[in-house]
Amino acid sequence: AQSVTQLGSHVSVSEGALVLLRCNYSSSVPPYLFWYVQYPNQGLQLLLKYTTGATLVKGINGFEAEFKKSETSFHLTKPSAHMSDAAEYFCAVIRSGGYQKVTFGTGTKLQVIP
Amino acid sequence: DVKVTQSSRYLVKRTGEKVFLECVQDMDHENMFWYRQDPGLGLRLIYFSYDVKMKEKGDIPEGYSVSREKKERFSLILESASTNQTSMYLCASSIKRGLPYEQYFGPGTRLTVT
Repeated sequence: AQSVTQLGSHVSVSEGALVLLRCNYSSSVPPYLFWYVQYPNQGLQLLLKYTTGATLVKGINGFEAEFKKSETSFHLTKPSAHMSDAAEYFCAVIRSGGYQKVTFGTGTKLQVIP
Repeated sequence: DVKVTQSSRYLVKRTGEKVFLECVQDMDHENMFWYRQDPGLGLRLIYFSYDVKMKEKGDIPEGYSVSREKKERFSLILESASTNQTSMYLCASSIKRGLPYEQYFGPGTRLTVT
């Protein structure tokens, strides 16, 4: 069964500092991986996704993630945090069995300190 | 832009009441999903539907049912609301086939059962 683990339920960074949100996955099939962001009082929206091809994936708002098969990781990074990045971030993996079902991680809340 | 709308942003119901949560998407997506979101637990799949009148249980279907009479509309029903169903409910939709596609989320309904 596919699963994801997000290390750290809360992460604080200073404005302008590097953002690193960690995600490790478990999958018995080639994984398809996503990062979603949830701003306060809103639904989730896609930041980026990895399906096949290039292992470094660029997303919206300057975020990127690197798929590392040997480490079973898909960490999310941004070189310089902005106040508007304060949100909750979810890593997700497509489940086997079709129908585009996914398993979500438990989420990481990012706080950006001015 | 894909739009997923949910009938209410906030809802307060009494224990034992029958509760209907409605979700509508405007992009002709085959798949629709209902999740509940609780702090520290991430998103958990309640039910999903891959076609009109077709539904399958997710990870936590107990106490819930669903209805999909039209392609664009997916309803979540709490037959007899209980306090442990107080939560944020998120609806999502996606394309059915092909490479893994992202899910598009509604803004959520925060349900309080008293």
